[in-house]
Amino acid sequence: KAGVTQTPRYLIKTRGQQVTLSCSPISGHRSVSWYQQTPGQGLQFLFEYFSETQRNKGNFPGRFSGRQFSNSRSEMNVSTLELGDSALYLCASSFILAGTTDTQYFGPGTRLTVL
Amino acid sequence: AQTVTQSQPEMSVQEAETVTLSCTYDTSESDYYLFWYKQPPSRQMILVIRQEAYKQQNATENRFSVNFQKAAKSFSLKISDSQLGDAAMYFCAYRSAADKIIFGKGTRLHILP
Repeated sequence: KAGVTQTPRYLIKTRGQQVTLSCSPISGHRSVSWYQQTPGQGLQFLFEYFSETQRNKGNFPGRFSGRQFSNSRSEMNVSTLELGDSALYLCASSFILAGTTDTQYFGPGTRLTVL
Repeated sequence: AQTVTQSQPEMSVQEAETVTLSCTYDTSESDYYLFWYKQPPSRQMILVIRQEAYKQQNATENRFSVNFQKAAKSFSLKISDSQLGDAAMYFCAYRSAADKIIFGKGTRLHILP
């Protein structure tokens, strides 16, 4: 079974631009979560989607948004990029809601650099 | 608000020895889950072990085991017979039922040959 895939793997943008990251979960998984990983702040939860509905949201500004499609694929969008948005963005999928008795499987991440 | 604290930013252990990574958390919930994740250099994060708070028995997965002290809100990870492949960043994480996951800052583990 194919793992979680994220595209693109690397991205360079300039301040003020917008970016869209994509995540394809493991086949059959209905839950997708997004995380931002930086050296200073560590791993921070962005949002979680389950069956196209946002179930949880972290403490990020409204510039960060996401959605999930009927095939469980998910996208996250960051508008008006700031230097501080440079990070590794991780996506994780699970069959049911993440963090319960179900296991989350992580993708390789998208490394976003904002210049 | 729930918090997760890993007090050891970095640790080293000799190959074949045993090492314990510390994690404490703060919560007022009674029903929650705790996890240890491993992130090897330039590789994907994987779940090492998880513990349901309602279970008194400590979880074990091969060479990995936890010491779960609910009253003390402590959740340490013990790695026995350390191997070179265990070198990674280890994250402790907490989640209450149907709520978001909170990660600690991580502990970078070095294995000395």
